[in-house]
Amino acid sequence: GENVEQHPSTLSVQEGDSAVIKCTYSDSASNYFPWYKQELGKGPQLIIDIRSNVGEKKDQRIAVTLNKTAKHFSLHITETQPEDSAVYFCAAIRGYQKVTFGTGTKLQVIP
Amino acid sequence: DTAVSQTPKYLVTQMGNDKSIKCEQNLGHDTMYWYKQDSKKFLKIMFSYNNKELIINETVPNRFSPKSPDKAHLNLHINSLELGDSAVYFCASTSLGNTEAFFGQGTRLTVV
Repeated sequence: GENVEQHPSTLSVQEGDSAVIKCTYSDSASNYFPWYKQELGKGPQLIIDIRSNVGEKKDQRIAVTLNKTAKHFSLHITETQPEDSAVYFCAAIRGYQKVTFGTGTKLQVIP
Repeated sequence: DTAVSQTPKYLVTQMGNDKSIKCEQNLGHDTMYWYKQDSKKFLKIMFSYNNKELIINETVPNRFSPKSPDKAHLNLHINSLELGDSAVYFCASTSLGNTEAFFGQGTRLTVV
């Protein structure tokens, strides 16, 4: 089955700096890679996703890159703000299979 | 309107009891999931139903029994609750395939 590793497990950055979270996956047939943000006391919410036919996708301050050859993908948050503080999960999905989540990264943005 | 709603939000119960958590989605999705999130925030899938049919059943004790009366509902019944069952349980829904999964707000289960 799919195995998704996520690093780092915790990340502290100063407000305005950039944050990068990395994930690797094991199943080369995985073709959909969403990122979820979980705020305290809430369920995870999709913030950006990328499909295997694309190498990079950007949405305002958030971007995701995908390297299919190396089987890794990353989340980049620029100009971080205190409201970006949350737990972030990557995931890898193959076709109609289950969603396999990474282990999560707790991001703290220090004002 | 809440897309995926779970009840109750908090549940405190004694060891050995039987309890249920309910989930409903109004998004017209055909696939629903139950996830367990432990104290370290790991999200682990437990079950998945597609059009009321079980399609994923991870290594979960048979004390846990999901029930899907229709494709908009997926309930989770837990028998003989144990201390290790304490966690936050999330329901989610999606359309089968590579699309966004919508999560409920979670049910924090505490077994004492």
